[in-house]
Amino acid sequence: NAGVTQTPKFQVLKTGQSMTLQCAQDMNHEYMSWYRQDPGMGLRLIHYSVGAGITDQGEVPNGYNVSRSTTEDFPLRLLSAAPSQTSVYFCASSRQGAGTDTQYFGPGTRLTVL
Amino acid sequence: RKEVEQDPGPFNVPEGATVAFNCTYSNSASQSFFWYRQDCRKEPKLLMSVYSSGNEDGRFTAQLNRASQYISLLIRDSKLSDSATYLCVPRTGNQFYFGTGTSLTVIP
Repeated sequence: NAGVTQTPKFQVLKTGQSMTLQCAQDMNHEYMSWYRQDPGMGLRLIHYSVGAGITDQGEVPNGYNVSRSTTEDFPLRLLSAAPSQTSVYFCASSRQGAGTDTQYFGPGTRLTVL
Repeated sequence: RKEVEQDPGPFNVPEGATVAFNCTYSNSASQSFFWYRQDCRKEPKLLMSVYSSGNEDGRFTAQLNRASQYISLLIRDSKLSDSATYLCVPRTGNQFYFGTGTSLTVIP
């Protein structure tokens, strides 16, 4: 049981490049989400999904796309990277509707956009 | 108004000290509450859930006051390994709301 995994751990992009951050979980959790964390700021929700085929926007969705074709995977796509997207990205999962259950995080992807 | 407000600190305390963190949340519909710990540049990890009656886990005690929308965390006998950022996290439906966290450094 690996929990939540993310790849890559580190990435450097040039402005305008696109890439996909991978996230997978093996806990059969319905709910998955992507956050970004910038220095001195809390976690901000980018996109989330309540199940395969269902996604929705969070607080800061601009510049990012997501899809959820399976329960296990929830990739985050940067369409045209900008320096403002330099951040640490965390993927998380939890059971849906189980109010007392917590959220589990992947180890993060540290992205730098030059 | 922010969903979660925490004193950012930093709190610098000597080993063995007792330290308390406070948090307020704005959404009265929040159903469950957690304290997470985050070490520098790493992912947040669950420290403990917070129950209405208050709960204890070793040196850690969490309290919830729904009427005041206030959550607290008490750490007794601080260890060097307790140095981290502590995040107060209310859950409303599927959404987890993270504060900016309170930074704790335990000094030898």
